[in-house]
Parts: sequence; C-alpha cells; structure tokens
Amino acid sequence: GNSVTQMEGPVTLSEEAFLTINCTYTATGYPSLFWYVQYPGEGLQLLLKATKADDKGSNKGFEATYRKETTSFHLEKGSVQVSDSAVYFCALSDWSAGTALIFGKGTTLSVSS
Amino acid sequence: GAVVSQHPSWVICKSGTSVKIECRSLDFQATTMFWYRQFPKQSLMLMATSNEGSKATYEQGVEKDKFLINHASLTLSTLTVTSAHPEDSSFYICSARSPGGGLAGGDNEQFFGPGTRLTVL
Repeated sequence: GNSVTQMEGPVTLSEEAFLTINCTYTATGYPSLFWYVQYPGEGLQLLLKATKADDKGSNKGFEATYRKETTSFHLEKGSVQVSDSAVYFCALSDWSAGTALIFGKGTTLSVSS
Repeated sequence: GAVVSQHPSWVICKSGTSVKIECRSLDFQATTMFWYRQFPKQSLMLMATSNEGSKATYEQGVEKDKFLINHASLTLSTLTVTSAHPEDSSFYICSARSPGGGLAGGDNEQFFGPGTRLTVL
C-alpha cells in the first residue's frame, strides 16, 4: 500500500538557518507529492506540490524535488524565519485512482530569533 | 482561493450524546469531501470519503454506524458522531476536492477546513 514517512520532530532552528525536512514514500502507482503546512490555530494549507518525477515544487522560499529513484520529496528552505514555525506534513495521492491524501506524521518546526 | 469552513470549531459534550459537524465549501462545488481525524502530535488519518449524492466510503476500522456522514449537496457534508464517548475526543478535519483551480490549476487539489475540536466528557 501507499505510505509516507517523514522525519520525527521537533526541529528547532535559529532564524536564517537552513532547513531540511526529510520525506520518503512508498507507492504502487505514480503519485503526486505534497507538502502541507499547519500554522498554530489554523487549518492545513498546501505549501507546494509535484506531480511527476524530477518536478520541483516551490513556494514562499520552500522547495522540494520529486525523486523517483530515491522515493523522496525532501522539503528545504535556505533561510528560515520565525514565521515559518509550524507543523509540516508530507503527503501523497494517486489522483488517477481517486485516492485521498495519505499523510506523514508531521514535523514540528520551531524557529527562534 | 477556495475556502472550506467547519462548524463548530470546538464542542464539548457529555458521553452518550451525538454531535454533528458541518463542512462547507464556500466558493466552489465539491463533488468529493474527505473526513480526517487527527490525534495529538500525530498525522491525519482518513476516516471516510464522501461523494455527493451517494453513500460514504469508510476506511478500514472506522465504524460507519458510529460516524455518520451525509453529503447532501455540492457544498455541504456533515459528520455526526453518534453516542460519543471520551475515546472519540479528537480533532476532526474535513477537506473538499476542487475539480479545478488550486496551486497548479485543474489538479483536483484538496482544500482543508480549520478543524473541529471535540471533547467528550
């Protein structure tokens, strides 16, 4: 079956530090991959996505590249800000099969000034 | 952008009572809505997929008689937790799938509601 594994948190960084949150997946088909962010007290928001191998999703300074050979979709940001503090979820979905999103367990990021 | 609302945002009820949670897509029609449950410090677990005008499809291990889902219109799905017990206390989140638009356009993106915190005493 399909599954997503992401690194355990919490991740604590100083402002302007480099961020990497690892995500690997298992899928039987050709899924789309997503990163969602959940800010304190808010609902999930789509941060970025990639729909096929070698695609790079990017948004708000965050990037992730769909690596089929390593079944990975690691999230990166070159310089984090305090406002990036949130919970980040990696997810996959096989839209062609009509499946819902399958989420990783989430990684809490805390950025201090 | 597409907005999904949930009501109520939080609810406290006595054990044995039933609680209804509404999920609405405010500015688009959603033929498919999803209900998730999120435990503290854990991921979202899909409970059921709700298609407008048909019966919901429940994930393995989810009691369909316990968690009643109705998707009567293209903008509204409801989740009713029947005879709630303390172990049903959780954060319930819905999402609605847009047939178009979204971050990359036309990609069936899911938009999430803000969630409903249920506490059963």
